[in-house]
Amino acid sequence: QSVLTQPPSASGTPGQRVTVSCSGSSSNIGSDFVYWYQQLPGAAPRLLIYKNHQRPSGVPDRFSGSKSGTSASLAISGLRSEDEAEYYCAAWDDRLSAVIFGGGTKLTVL
Amino acid sequence: QVQLVESGGDWVKPGGSLRLSCAASGFTFSHYHMSWIRQAPGKGLEWLSYITYSSGVIYYADSVRGRFTISRDNAKNSLYLQMNSLTAADTAVYYCARGSDYFDNWGQGTLVTVSS
Repeated sequence: QSVLTQPPSASGTPGQRVTVSCSGSSSNIGSDFVYWYQQLPGAAPRLLIYKNHQRPSGVPDRFSGSKSGTSASLAISGLRSEDEAEYYCAAWDDRLSAVIFGGGTKLTVL
Repeated sequence: QVQLVESGGDWVKPGGSLRLSCAASGFTFSHYHMSWIRQAPGKGLEWLSYITYSSGVIYYADSVRGRFTISRDNAKNSLYLQMNSLTAADTAVYYCARGSDYFDNWGQGTLVTVSS
C-alpha cells in the first residue's frame, strides 16, 4: 500500500483531456514538491513534471501538473495513443526521510 | 547525452549477495546526487537509496536499510549497490537514476532474480 494514493486506472479517447490524481499528507505533498513520471510499456520511467508543474525540455505542453494542499494532479490534454502508459507521482516524505511513489495509474487510450 | 548503464543483475539464491554497478556518461558525474530505484515484476516503483555527490549523505528506504549499501566512485563515474541477505521480495528490475528527490535521467535497468 503506497503512501501516495493514485487511481489504478484512467482512460480517455483521442483528443480528450484526462486527469490523474495523487493524494498524500502533510509530511509529503503538503510540505514538498510533487513529481510525475511516465513509464511506457517495456521502458524505463521518464520524468514528466518536476517541482509541481515544471516540464523538462522535450515534454509536450499537453502535459501539466498542479498541486493544492496535500493533493496533486497530472492533466493530459489532446490525448494521443502514444500517451498510453503508467503514470507515477512522487514526493519526498519528511517523516520517512525517503522518496515515495504513488502506486501508479495505468492510462488507456480508447 | 546523459547515459546511465546498469550491470550486475543476475539470478541468486535466497540469502545471497549481489553487487550492481551503474556507469554514467555524458555529464559531470561528481556534481550530481544519484539514486537506486527498483520495480518488482508487474508492480510499481520503489525508491531504495540515494547518495550525495560527495558521498557525504546517504539515505535508505526502510525495506533495505542494513542489507543494502550504496556507494560511488567519482573517478570512475560509477554508482554501486551492494545487496546482501537477499530474499524473493528483492526480485525486481533495478534502475540507477540521476538525482536525489527527483530523477531526471534513468538507466535501462538490470534484472535481479532471487530464487532457490
